[in-house]
Amino acid sequence: KAGVTQTPRYLIKTRGQQVTLSCSPISGHRSVSWYQQTPGQGLQFLFEYFSETQRNKGNFPGRFSGRQFSNSRSEMNVSTLELGDSALYLCASREDSDSPLHFGNGTRLTVT
Amino acid sequence: QKEVEQDPGPLSVPEGAIVSLNCTYSNSAFQYFMWYRQYSRKGPELLMYTYSSGNKEDGRFTAQVDKSSKYISLFIRDSQPSDSATYLCAMTSNQAGTALIFGKGTTLSVSS
Repeated sequence: KAGVTQTPRYLIKTRGQQVTLSCSPISGHRSVSWYQQTPGQGLQFLFEYFSETQRNKGNFPGRFSGRQFSNSRSEMNVSTLELGDSALYLCASREDSDSPLHFGNGTRLTVT
Repeated sequence: QKEVEQDPGPLSVPEGAIVSLNCTYSNSAFQYFMWYRQYSRKGPELLMYTYSSGNKEDGRFTAQVDKSSKYISLFIRDSQPSDSATYLCAMTSNQAGTALIFGKGTTLSVSS
């Protein structure tokens, strides 16, 4: 099976812009989660979607949003970008609640 | 007190050494425990997945969970230069939609 695929791999944006990141989960996985990884804070949970419904949300401002489509693919949007949003954004999928997460290689976002 | 504590290292060992990586946690509700390996410019790769207390072995890797002490370990036998990476512990109560809580990661370097 193909792994979790994230596009694009790298992005450079300017403060105030918005960005959309895309994630294709492992075939058959209906749950998709997003995490932010920074050197200072490590991996922090953003949100999880299951069958197109947001099941949980982390402690991030409303500028961070996401959605999941009927084919389980997911997108994450960040509006009004700030310098502190520079990070590696990781998408992960799992088969069900008792299964472990499998991560993609992430999208490296740099905000200038 | 942080929910999950992990010594960031760096940890440097010679090839063939036994490596011990550890995490402590404070939330007694955690039931599922994972170890991920992350190479530079890559996403976390699942190494071990265990439920509740006990040991689990997979090749050169052994995961141990001691819920009474709130302490988990990963042992790597016969370490190889290819094991050089950052190792992340993660855990969750795994109620539907519950996020993984990660340690900050330990950087391991194995020299030949």
